[in-house]
Amino acid sequence: QAVLTQPSSLSASPGASASLTCTLRSGINLDTYRIYWYQQKPGSPPQYLLRYKSDSDKHQGSGVPSRFSGSKDASANAGILLISGLQSEDEADYYCMIWHSSSWVFGGGTKLTVL
Amino acid sequence: EVQLVESGGGLVQPGGSLRLSCAASAFTFSDHYMGWVRQAPGQGLEWVGHIRNKANSYTTVYAASVKGRFTISRDDSKNSLYLQMNGLQTEDTAVYYCAREDTRSGNYYGVDYWGQGTLVTVSS
Repeated sequence: QAVLTQPSSLSASPGASASLTCTLRSGINLDTYRIYWYQQKPGSPPQYLLRYKSDSDKHQGSGVPSRFSGSKDASANAGILLISGLQSEDEADYYCMIWHSSSWVFGGGTKLTVL
Repeated sequence: EVQLVESGGGLVQPGGSLRLSCAASAFTFSDHYMGWVRQAPGQGLEWVGHIRNKANSYTTVYAASVKGRFTISRDDSKNSLYLQMNGLQTEDTAVYYCAREDTRSGNYYGVDYWGQGTLVTVSS
C-alpha cells in the first residue's frame, strides 16, 4: 500500500468548492506530519501552494490566494486541500507530500477538472 | 525573485552517465537544503534526494531507487547544485527538477521553489 494515496481525478464546477484528499497509509500517524500541497499545470513545473500540520503550524505559499487552504480529517487519516470559488485556471494536477522514513514522499496526484 | 535554472539534460545510452547542474540566484543558497525531484513522462513526482547545508554537514539523502548510482553535490561559492547520474537505466528517463527546501528560523521544511526542469532520456 502506498504511503500517500490521492484520487486520480476530481471534477467540480466553476464557483464551487473542491476538496482534494491525501490519505496516509494505515499506521502512519496523521498528527505528526506536515502535509505539503503543490499545483502543476501542463508543461510547467510544480508550484508550492501551502503546508498544513495544524491551525498553529501552517504556511501559505507566496502569492497563493486564500481560497486555497489546508486541513486534516483525522477520521480518514487524510490531509485535505480545499479550493473554494473554483476558477478555470485551477484546472491542474495537485500533489501532496510528506517527510516519511527519511525521504520526501509524494502522492500519486489528483487531476482536477473544472467544468 | 528566486530562480533555479537546470542544465545538462539530454540523450544518453543505458549504462551511461550524465551530470546535471542547477544555478541558483536571488536567495542565500548556502542556508538551504537543495534537492532533485524527477517526473517520468505522463507520471507523478518522485523525490530523488537532497543535500543539506553546511550547518548540517552537507549530509546527502537519496531515494532507494537511485542510491549508489546518483550523487548530489553543491558548491556554495558558485550557488550551484549538481546531480551526477551513473549507470543510467531506461526507467531514469524523466524531467529532473532542481528544488529548494524552505528554511525559516533554523527550521527546515519542504520544497518551496522549483526550477523549470531538464529532460533526461535514456535510450539506445
